Amino acid sequence: GENVEQHPSTLSVQEGDSAVIKCTYSDSASNYFPWYKQELGKRPQLIIDIRSNVGEKKDQRIAVTLNKTAKHFSLHITETQPEDSAVYFCAASINWGNQFYFGTGTSLTVIP
Amino acid sequence: GAVVSQHPSRVICKSGTSVKIECRSLDFQATTMFWYRQFPKQSLMLMATSNEGSKATYEQGVEKDKFLINHASLTLSTLTVTSAHPEDSSFYICSARTSGPLSYNEQFFGPGTRLTVL
Repeated sequence: GENVEQHPSTLSVQEGDSAVIKCTYSDSASNYFPWYKQELGKRPQLIIDIRSNVGEKKDQRIAVTLNKTAKHFSLHITETQPEDSAVYFCAASINWGNQFYFGTGTSLTVIP
Repeated sequence: GAVVSQHPSRVICKSGTSVKIECRSLDFQATTMFWYRQFPKQSLMLMATSNEGSKATYEQGVEKDKFLINHASLTLSTLTVTSAHPEDSSFYICSARTSGPLSYNEQFFGPGTRLTVL
């Protein structure tokens, strides 16, 4: 199956700075890459996703980039705010949204 | 938006007993549901894919006789942990997706069930 690696495992940034989380995947057939945010004790929530036919996607302060050749994708959060503090998971899917294989998670702390 | 519920939210059971966890899509029809297991401060590990009306597909290393999955309708999937042991203690989360126009890629997650086996 797909193997997804995620770095860093923890990340602390000052409020207003940018945060970048990187993921790599192993299966070149993966074609859908969502990012989920999970606050403590709550369910994962989709924050942004990208399909393999797109190299970059942006939604306000959040952007995701995809490099299919290198098999890696990244989450960029600009102008971070304390409410961005959470665990972020990347995932890869081979079948356009079936069988998500998640990365190991990044615990982001935004320091006021 | 799409809402997925799980019941119970917490369950404590004795070793050797079986526990059933329900996953429901409340406002949409879920053609596919997924079951994940999450250990403390760790990632979500896909256990199985459940399609309505057919047998579940289990990921490698997941015992299908241990974790029984039933997807009897388009809004309900159940996970039964049979003969539970302390090592089965974990956080179990389901997710659901639809093939309709809502969003054919996104999976909507339930709030999870904390299982503790004594």
